[in-house]
Amino acid sequence: EAEVAQSPRYKITEKSQAVAFWCDPISGHATLYWYRQILGQGPELLVQFQDESVVDDSQLPKDRFSAERLKGVDSTLKIQPAELGDSAMYLCASSLEPGEAGFTGELFFGEGSRLTVL
Amino acid sequence: QKEVEQNSGPLSVPEGAIASLNCTYSDRGSQSFFWYRQYSGKSPELIMFIYSNGDKEDGRFTAQLNKASQYVSLLIRDSQPSDSATYLCAVKGSGSGNTPLVFGKGTRLSVIA
Repeated sequence: EAEVAQSPRYKITEKSQAVAFWCDPISGHATLYWYRQILGQGPELLVQFQDESVVDDSQLPKDRFSAERLKGVDSTLKIQPAELGDSAMYLCASSLEPGEAGFTGELFFGEGSRLTVL
Repeated sequence: QKEVEQNSGPLSVPEGAIASLNCTYSDRGSQSFFWYRQYSGKSPELIMFIYSNGDKEDGRFTAQLNKASQYVSLLIRDSQPSDSATYLCAVKGSGSGNTPLVFGKGTRLSVIA
């Protein structure tokens, strides 16, 4: 069964360090999302890509966060410098496009990357 | 700001009972609604989606949608201890293109054996 791949699963870092997360969506999914989920909260959208283009990054803290999807396939989310409040689960998801066979609007999530900032 | 509201719980029900989870949303133009289950430390997994007013049943799960009241619910019949998890309500935003899902904070369900 096709899956969204994410790495690393767990990352512990000290504040002010740089961290990076990687995501490979389900093959053929043009849309890729990065969500952040703080413990006890629901996932919140950070950035949405369609192919290599950013569709929505209005909630991405651009002073320290960056995201790219250079070839429209896999994606990297970077934080520099990390702050204590960045401790969270970073979830990558992908989806089909409206009009594609099988489109339901469902997001397919990877296993997530849990970040702890000390 | 599009919002999805859920009671954070915890909601405790005895094994075999019906669990009722509720969600309201602010974007009146929303057309697609999703329920995800999330076990502690894991990523969300889809339970079901609903587009039309009324009920949609899938096994022990029934989703109910009332667009006029901007209300969506999930009923879990014959609740099992394995159903203990956080249930996330998600709403697909109105607008053109592939709009993202907006999630509620989730309701934590505990099924007591």
